[in-house]
Amino acid sequence: QKEVEQDPGPLSVPEGAIVSLNCTYSNSAFQYFMWYRQYSRKGPELLMYTYSSGNKEDGRFTAQVDKSSKYISLFIRDSQPSDSATYLCFGAGGTSYGKLTFGQGTILTVHP
Amino acid sequence: EPEVTQTPSHQVTQMGQEVILRCVPISNHLYFYWYRQILGQKVEFLVSFYNNEISEKSEIFDDQFSVERPDGSNFTLKIRSTKLEDSAMYFCASRDPSLGPQHFGDGTRLSIL
Repeated sequence: QKEVEQDPGPLSVPEGAIVSLNCTYSNSAFQYFMWYRQYSRKGPELLMYTYSSGNKEDGRFTAQVDKSSKYISLFIRDSQPSDSATYLCFGAGGTSYGKLTFGQGTILTVHP
Repeated sequence: EPEVTQTPSHQVTQMGQEVILRCVPISNHLYFYWYRQILGQKVEFLVSFYNNEISEKSEIFDDQFSVERPDGSNFTLKIRSTKLEDSAMYFCASRDPSLGPQHFGDGTRLSIL
């Protein structure tokens, strides 16, 4: 079983929509959670880094962690065409704190 | 904001030649990583490096690959005898001592002819 499972998408939304990207995880030792964004032919870019449960907001982005249900979400408000990218979620902590194991991520397209 | 820089952005090499990909991690970071991404596929872990030694490597990281931190600022990946299937984007990442998140460079596109 993968430690983090991500909704595969792809996701296509109109500009201005609220986007919800979701992941579940199985490792109870995870304490840190990360969202990266990757544009085509670019390196993964750290979007959000959160510790434990709760919400963290940064501009149009909100990361939410629910440790009781092992659920991670990223919300994008007022989505823009420039948000079109692949989004990847990760958990870390306990003995699992080294390499990142990438999945395919969720491909988001925001059309004008 | 500090960033990871990689050079060159694009490297074209003949099959069988040696290639060195260079990375300058963020200055106070102590953990270093190489990943690769074949076109259209997911990013794959190659190797992690800490305290001047490899801490973990994947099956992809065979004897043709080596890593080095030749000085206090650079981190390099060498491929000794390149193969066509080594064509990919290679990403370097670094992480600080407090176990913060990894920060990635924009990659080197390696094309083997």
